[in-house]
Amino acid sequence: GNSVTQMEGPVTLSEEAFLTINCTYTATGYPSLFWYVQYPGEGLQLLLKATKADDKGSNKGFEATYRKETTSFHLEKGSVQVSDSAVYFCALGTNDYKLSFGAGTTVTVRA
Amino acid sequence: GAGVSQSPRYKVTKRGQDVALRCDPISGHVSLYWYRQALGQGPEFLTYFNYEAQQDKSGLPNDRFSAERPEGSISTLTIQRTEQRDSAMYRCASSLSAGQGNTGELFFGEGSRLTVL
Repeated sequence: GNSVTQMEGPVTLSEEAFLTINCTYTATGYPSLFWYVQYPGEGLQLLLKATKADDKGSNKGFEATYRKETTSFHLEKGSVQVSDSAVYFCALGTNDYKLSFGAGTTVTVRA
Repeated sequence: GAGVSQSPRYKVTKRGQDVALRCDPISGHVSLYWYRQALGQGPEFLTYFNYEAQQDKSGLPNDRFSAERPEGSISTLTIQRTEQRDSAMYRCASSLSAGQGNTGELFFGEGSRLTVL
């Protein structure tokens, strides 16, 4: 079946540090891959996505590249801000409506 | 409304009681999804509607769980005879077009946290 494994947290960083959150997946067929983010007191929202191998998704300074050979979709940001403190979820979709999520990684950025 | 609205935000109930969780999707959104998130885990799919039709309920854990969306807008997830293992965050999401789960264009509410004592 489909599954997503992402780096366990929590992760604590200083402002302007480099962030990477690892995500690997198992899926049949050709999944689309996503990163969702949940800011405190809000619902999950789509951060970025990639729908085929070698695609790079990017948004708000975050990037992730769909690597089929390593079945990975690692999230990176070069210089984090306090406002990036949130829970980040890696997810995949292989049909037209279901998403499979990872367990989430809590990121705290200190000023 | 401006976003997906869920109520109640927090619900504490005693084992054996029935609970109803409400979801009001973004106006005009065709599809509505329910997910459940246990502590320390990611959301897991429960069920999905296009308009008023329930397309897939394969994720509902057992027959104590049911969902409806009678007019193709507001949805209710009902849990009968609650058990402690039902404690979780219940998340609702909607999408503009039918079956956009694979595109990731889902808009989630803040969730309803259920605690069964």
